[in-house]
Amino acid sequence: GAVVSQHPSWVICKSGTSVKIECRSLDFQATTMFWYRQFPKQSLMLMATSNEGSKATYEQGVEKDKFLINHASLTLSTLTVTSAHPEDSSFYICSARDWGTGSYEQYFGPGTRLTVT
Amino acid sequence: GNSVTQMEGPVTLSEEAFLTINCTYTATGYPSLFWYVQYPGEGLQLLLKATKADDKGSNKGFEATYRKETTSFHLEKGSVQVSDSAVYFCALSDADSWGKFQFGAGTQVVVTP
Repeated sequence: GAVVSQHPSWVICKSGTSVKIECRSLDFQATTMFWYRQFPKQSLMLMATSNEGSKATYEQGVEKDKFLINHASLTLSTLTVTSAHPEDSSFYICSARDWGTGSYEQYFGPGTRLTVT
Repeated sequence: GNSVTQMEGPVTLSEEAFLTINCTYTATGYPSLFWYVQYPGEGLQLLLKATKADDKGSNKGFEATYRKETTSFHLEKGSVQVSDSAVYFCALSDADSWGKFQFGAGTQVVVTP
């Protein structure tokens, strides 16, 4: 089946630094990837939709200058949290859609736990 | 806009009990419906899906039927195991939303021996 990986699985960084999270589709081409944020015991909040070769579309209220998304290839999207602060600590999950199947199903990565100290 | 409402948890059950998690939706188009499961510290795994009215999705003993007349997609399992303890999310997606998912709030299920 379709597999999506994320790296790193967890990261601890100091306030003010930037952190990059990678999302890869391992066995299919993902023209569209999605980035979500999940707070403890809550549902997933969509942050942005990333289409290969074009600028990401951010949801209302998400700071595009703070959460930089790049989808440079059909198998890789990256989320960079710039000038991270403790309130950015969260569980970040990416997903990918294989448009070739015609299905709306999304394949989710295992998530990245970000802790900003 | 689209929305998904699912029953609040936590739902606590004994092993071998019957599980039902209610999910209702609002959509302007003809959505595809999904149930995802999330184990602690992990991402989401697709449990089952249905793409049109009256479709029944099933997997690992779980079932859900796409009921357009009641705009529902309730998840059921006849006999739960301790390993079914997780958070379950109902979700929908359609062409009007360009494939974006609308998730329910999630329902935590705790199965005790």
